[in-house]
Order: sequence, then structure tokens, then C-alpha cells
Amino acid sequence: GQNIDQPTEMTATEGAIVQINCTYQTSGFNGLFWYQQHAGEAPTFLSYNVLDGLEEKGRFSSFLSRSKGYSYLLLKELQMKDSASYLCAVSREVQTGANNLFFGTGTRLTVIP
Amino acid sequence: DGGITQSPKYLFRKEGQNVTLSCEQNLNHDAMYWYRQDPGQGLRLIYYSQIVNDFQKGDIAEGYSVSREKKESFPLTVTSAQKNPTAFYLCASSIDLAGDQAYEQYFGPGTRLTVT
Repeated sequence: GQNIDQPTEMTATEGAIVQINCTYQTSGFNGLFWYQQHAGEAPTFLSYNVLDGLEEKGRFSSFLSRSKGYSYLLLKELQMKDSASYLCAVSREVQTGANNLFFGTGTRLTVIP
Repeated sequence: DGGITQSPKYLFRKEGQNVTLSCEQNLNHDAMYWYRQDPGQGLRLIYYSQIVNDFQKGDIAEGYSVSREKKESFPLTVTSAQKNPTAFYLCASSIDLAGDQAYEQYFGPGTRLTVT
């Protein structure tokens, strides 16, 4: 099985930096994804980490520590459009040999002026 | 434009009726998935398919059925046996789902099903 924890809600100010944490416990780990989901819409891919360290992509960065079962998503220079839910998803190999994604409950980020 | 389409966006049904949600992709992806999303819960996997004519149960397959007769299409039927069918249903696809590497999943816009 797997256990994935992330905060339910966060609020941050426009222009600021916010860090969304995700901790997980799982077997057969082969990567961690972050997705952004605006209310009522499809999740969209933000980042993928499989090795320890930081991956930077524009205003968004994602960090992974496999030994600690820990990841974070860092959003810089926050904009109002960044108000959304951020989903942490762990990929692990299941019995059938497939690599399936297991999602946390998501963190709803509200950006205020 | 490549992508995944789901229709309809909103669907209403009476209790006891089966309903089929469509999912089509033109990304030439081998793997396809169905998830369900409920308030306060993460996405949960219903069924997945690695190739045509093959599919596997996910974590919450009871009360659902799927088919994969074409690479592009992976319809989901919500049967009357599903106890709590009202939810937001998301279809996704990826290049593959096996091997050492995990692949990004691309999601459709979702279908919000309400059963009364």
C-alpha cells in the first residue's frame, strides 16, 4: 500500500514564494509527480522527480528525497492564476507490472492580492 | 491538436440505470486510465489498460466495467451496482505504463456524473 500526505489548504500573497510539502510511504517507488488542477478542470502536469534533488522549471521547482519519503513543490513570484489545487502523486509498480499513480488528497492554494 | 476528449461534461441519471462515459485520445498512447475524484479525496484508480483488448482493475473497480476495443477509445460503464456513482470522472492516457520509467499521464476534461 501507500500513504501520501499533503496539507489540505494554504494561502499565500501575490508575488511571494510558497512551498507545498508531500510525504509518502510506499513500496516499489519509481517516481513522484506534481499536477495542478483548477476547480472543475483536468489536472495538468507540472513536474516529475525520480532522483533525489531539485528540478527547476520556470517559476516552479520540485524537490525529492527518496530516503526521507519527502517532496516539495516550490512556486515563486506567485500570480493570482496560481490559485488551484496541487496534487502529489507517487508512481509505484503494482502486481501486474504496471507503474500506477497514487494521488494525495491535494493542496488547495489560494493566492491573495 | 492532440489530446483527450471526454463527453459529456455533465451527465444526469436516475438510480438503477447504467451509464457509459466516453473517452477518446489521439495521442497514440498505449496506456489509458479511469479515475474517480470525490471532494476531500485524492484521485482513485478505477481501471487501466496497457494495450488493446487488455485491461486491469484498479483500486475501486467494483460496480464499473470497461472495454478497450480500439487504441483510441476506453469507455467506462457505471453500473447500477456502483453504490455511490455521483462523482467527477477523469480519463487519462500515457505513452506506456510498464518498465523502469514512469510516464506522465495526460488527463481529459472530465465528466461530472450525478445520479439521483
